[in-house]
Amino acid sequence: ETGVTQTPRHLVMGMTNKKSLKCEQHLGHNAMYWYKQSAKKPLELMFVYNFKEQTENNSVPSRFSPECPNSSHLFLHLHTLQPEDSALYLCASSQLAETGGSGYTFGSGTRLTVV
Amino acid sequence: GDSVTQMEGPVTLSEEAFLTINCTYTATGYPSLFWYVQYPGEGLQLLLKATKADDKGSNKGFEATYRKETTSFHLEKGSVQVSDSAVYFCALRDQGAQKLVFGQGTRLTINP
Repeated sequence: ETGVTQTPRHLVMGMTNKKSLKCEQHLGHNAMYWYKQSAKKPLELMFVYNFKEQTENNSVPSRFSPECPNSSHLFLHLHTLQPEDSALYLCASSQLAETGGSGYTFGSGTRLTVV
Repeated sequence: GDSVTQMEGPVTLSEEAFLTINCTYTATGYPSLFWYVQYPGEGLQLLLKATKADDKGSNKGFEATYRKETTSFHLEKGSVQVSDSAVYFCALRDQGAQKLVFGQGTRLTINP
């Protein structure tokens, strides 16, 4: 039990589909993050939410639409994606500020394939 | 700004070999340092951490010592196993800061 749960683990979608990724944390953290991990590329931070308010959007295309209804849940809504959006999408959570060696806790990821 | 530099991969070793993955950092404050591991098809898991100079983090036979004088946090293991094959990420988080800064990751493959 990692404390951060992502569903689904695998998703195949067509370019005209609409789907959503879900992330839930049970750690009492107040910040949540979406990362994209593509083959042979560094981790890319997509969105940051603090106390369910978006504080960072790193030039992510509008076909990715995040939602954070509360501090424990984070969604990534997907529509009209492109094949190059195929990647592992990772959710993470943390306390807002580092104290005593607190890092981020990651979920297992959703492997997304766009066909 | 803060940054982390890891040795370029991929690294390929035979089982029972000694492992070192180098990591150096630059930081404006007094960061905590982390090693994360990502097994195939999984997310990142915290492997070990150290919060101040000369601290040694250890877990599953892996060790890393926080060296302030050389701004380094090298990962070592005395005898690697096939099951250690994964991608390893060095990271830092400044005291009181939100952002976790990652290195680019090092892919490790252990052959039987």
